[in-house]
Amino acid sequence: EIVMTQSPATLSVSPGERATLSCRASQSVSSNLAWYQQKPGQAPRLLIYGASTRATGIPARFSGSGSGAEFTLTVSSLQSEDFAVYYCQQSNNWPVTFGQGTRLEIK
Amino acid sequence: QVQLVESGGGVVQPGGSLRLSCAASGFIFSSYDIHWVRQAPGKGLEWVASIRYDGSNSYYADSVKGRFTISRDNSKSTLHLQMNSLTVEDTAVYYCAKDVSGSETYFDYWGQGTLVTVSS
Repeated sequence: EIVMTQSPATLSVSPGERATLSCRASQSVSSNLAWYQQKPGQAPRLLIYGASTRATGIPARFSGSGSGAEFTLTVSSLQSEDFAVYYCQQSNNWPVTFGQGTRLEIK
Repeated sequence: QVQLVESGGGVVQPGGSLRLSCAASGFIFSSYDIHWVRQAPGKGLEWVASIRYDGSNSYYADSVKGRFTISRDNSKSTLHLQMNSLTVEDTAVYYCAKDVSGSETYFDYWGQGTLVTVSS
């Protein structure tokens, strides 16, 4: 099973600033990686898949990069609605696995 | 618009059984793989099971293999998860999720979730 490790566990950023979240796989997952956003009491929302493709309706301030075992989610200018927990997920190997999450909080 | 509505959650004793359902609308249900993903209270996401668009194949996490069975009724646009021999570790919100469609597995639409509590 591929282990996904996200860092940091918590990231404190001021509104309007840039946030960079990291995800590392225990082995290469090629570009088969997704990012999800989850707010309290809500289901996750798909942001990015294929490492860098934005899902339908996702604002351009969200971008994904990386391949192999190292990936990054960047939020270019944080809005109030962006403070949430973010998960990465690999789909290169069964079982699909998620990272433990990064909580993005207001500084 | 795409909608997924789970039902069937509740409180069950260890060793008991529960059957979850997921009613889908707003897309051609029979064309997409569908999945169950769960989230224990205060914890992260865990994939549980998947079923191919035509029901030809299903896949399970090791943690539920042999105890859970995923099934679908394409004529009713409905997904099910039969859960047997439940343990306290199965306590979680269970989400059904639609696949993006393609060669890889990503979850583009999710239901609101149904809470399963296993407790004596």
